[in-house]
Amino acid sequence: DAKTTQPPSMDCAEGRAANLPCNHSTISGNEYVYWYRQIHSQGPQYIIHGLKNNETNEMASLIITEDRKSSTLILPHATLRDTAVYYCIVTGNFGNEKLTFGTGTRLTIIP
Amino acid sequence: DSGVTQTPKHLITATGQRVTLRCSPRSGDLSVYWYQQSLDQGLQFLIQYYNGEERAKGNILERFSAQQFPDLHSELNLSSLELGDSALYFCASSAGLGKNFGPGTRLTVL
Repeated sequence: DAKTTQPPSMDCAEGRAANLPCNHSTISGNEYVYWYRQIHSQGPQYIIHGLKNNETNEMASLIITEDRKSSTLILPHATLRDTAVYYCIVTGNFGNEKLTFGTGTRLTIIP
Repeated sequence: DSGVTQTPKHLITATGQRVTLRCSPRSGDLSVYWYQQSLDQGLQFLIQYYNGEERAKGNILERFSAQQFPDLHSELNLSSLELGDSALYFCASSAGLGKNFGPGTRLTVL
């Protein structure tokens, strides 16, 4: 699986869009980008995933650059409940992947 | 609610002991994954089962073993416990798109 690089921490004002970057410059053609988050010792929560097209669901949007070497997770209107550690994971073997979690980005939403 | 249940929520035991952690996957999910999260190691993949068969192994110690039963629930057995085994243990299940994680079992070894 390709290595990912994320900033260790970020702050965002409540109600604003939170944009979390992830670099994955060694991603290969069949690898997907997944995002999970973990709220204070709870089980990680799946957010979104993508291969090369931008994706959107009820939780977030995922923007993947054309060269696929980086991506951005966007939480459009951050709330205090979005305070969590966000993990960007790149992996192949879609569907049966054993996820390798890095250190993630600790996002703090400021009231 | 992810639909994945884990018992017990908390477990306190002594070094050298053996414990069993239980996981019930979300209804319909055939795959079960076990992860360990300690303060200094982050989330580490241990093992995966698919419909009763072992599918993939990660950084699982020889003192640890797991199985998945015909009703698809899974158990993680930890033996000869050491202080360093204190951690959160998460189970996840999957039907293909994203994983559903349980609330975890917090194991404390004294």
